[in-house]
Amino acid sequence: RKEVEQDPGPFNVPEGATVAFNCTYSNSASQSFFWYRQDCRKEPKLLMSVYSSGNEDGRFTAQLNRASQYISLLIRDSKLSDSATYLCVVNDRGSTLGRLYFGRGTQLTVWP
Amino acid sequence: GAVVSQHPSRVICKSGTSVKIECRSLDFQATTMFWYRQFPKQSLMLMATSNEGSKATYEQGVEKDKFLINHASLTLSTLTVTSAHPEDSSFYICSATDRDYEQYFGPGTRLTVT
Repeated sequence: RKEVEQDPGPFNVPEGATVAFNCTYSNSASQSFFWYRQDCRKEPKLLMSVYSSGNEDGRFTAQLNRASQYISLLIRDSKLSDSATYLCVVNDRGSTLGRLYFGRGTQLTVWP
Repeated sequence: GAVVSQHPSRVICKSGTSVKIECRSLDFQATTMFWYRQFPKQSLMLMATSNEGSKATYEQGVEKDKFLINHASLTLSTLTVTSAHPEDSSFYICSATDRDYEQYFGPGTRLTVT
């Protein structure tokens, strides 16, 4: 069983749409959670951390449900520039400090 | 924010040769560096974890004699792909953590073995 599971998509949405990505993780001891964005042929870049109380950064809202081991990312008012692959990432500090587990990524294409 | 560089950004080599990739933390001392590999349409897969001055810890299925990692200082780690084969062609990304365990990624190295 993979540490982090994501729906690979692809998601193709028009500009202005709202889109949601989901992710589940297998290790209940996981302590930190993130969404990264990766553009084609580039390194991943941190989009936002995910907190238990849920958090928002502009058009992006992240939610964490520890009981269900479920993480979500909501993008409102999609822009063309949001087109990328979104990676769900979990940090299990119980083992190697700083070790990150990556989901396969969900591909998003926003069309005009 | 913290910066991690990788060199080279792209390399093409012939089968059987060795390739060295450098990863540097430019403005902080990295307690730990990680090496990842990413095949097309796949997720980043951790290859090994490297701490300065000690042997790297390799993930299951990663050959330590083929992927040599040297972490000689707190700002530099190198990955050498020895006797490269076409199936080693991939996107290699390093990351480095600072004392707060924030992780910063390098821009990646695209290796093509012909």
